Amino acid sequence: KQEVTQIPAALSVPEGENLVLNCSFTDSAIYNLQWFRQDPGKGLTSLLLIQSSQREQTSGRLNASLDKSSGRSTLYIAASQPGDSATYLCAVTNYGGATNKLIFGTGTLLAVQP
Amino acid sequence: NAGVTQTPKFRVLKTGQSMTLLCAQDMNHEYMYWYRQDPGMGLRLIHYSVGEGTTAKGEVPDGYNVSRLKKQNFLLGLESAAPSQTSVYFCASRSPTRGANYGYTFGSGTRLTVV
Repeated sequence: KQEVTQIPAALSVPEGENLVLNCSFTDSAIYNLQWFRQDPGKGLTSLLLIQSSQREQTSGRLNASLDKSSGRSTLYIAASQPGDSATYLCAVTNYGGATNKLIFGTGTLLAVQP
Repeated sequence: NAGVTQTPKFRVLKTGQSMTLLCAQDMNHEYMYWYRQDPGMGLRLIHYSVGEGTTAKGEVPDGYNVSRLKKQNFLLGLESAAPSQTSVYFCASRSPTRGANYGYTFGSGTRLTVV
């Protein structure tokens, strides 16, 4: 059974700092991995999607990497801003035929202090 | 704007009451999903659908029913609400083929309280 773990559960950094969020998964046979952001009381916003054949994806100040063999992904945020404060969720889909369901980690709560 | 729309956004029910949550997407996605999010437990899949007229059980289906009569709509029903169903419910959709929009798109959620 696929399990997704995110460390740390919470992180507080001063504005301007570069930071890394970690995600690990137990079954390396994933279809893809997606990073989401969730603001308090809001829905999920997709940040980056890495397909199984890719090693990384970049969007603005965000860079996500994927190492399937070790079961790890990292989300790198450069020059953090208070507006980056949110919960960041990692989710994977396994090969499952037509259903490829998302399996989520419990998230990392990020606070960027001004 | 294209996306996934959930209604209602908030609801308070009494134990034993019934209700239906509506999810609508305008991206022509084949696959649709209902998740619930609870503190400390992350998001868990309730039911999903791989196309119009089809539904299947997810990880926590008990106490819920779903219907997919139209491709763009996925309904989640609670026949007799229980306090354990107090949660935030999210609908999501995605395309089955690899492409620019292959990832999941989520709605903004429905916050349900059962008293």
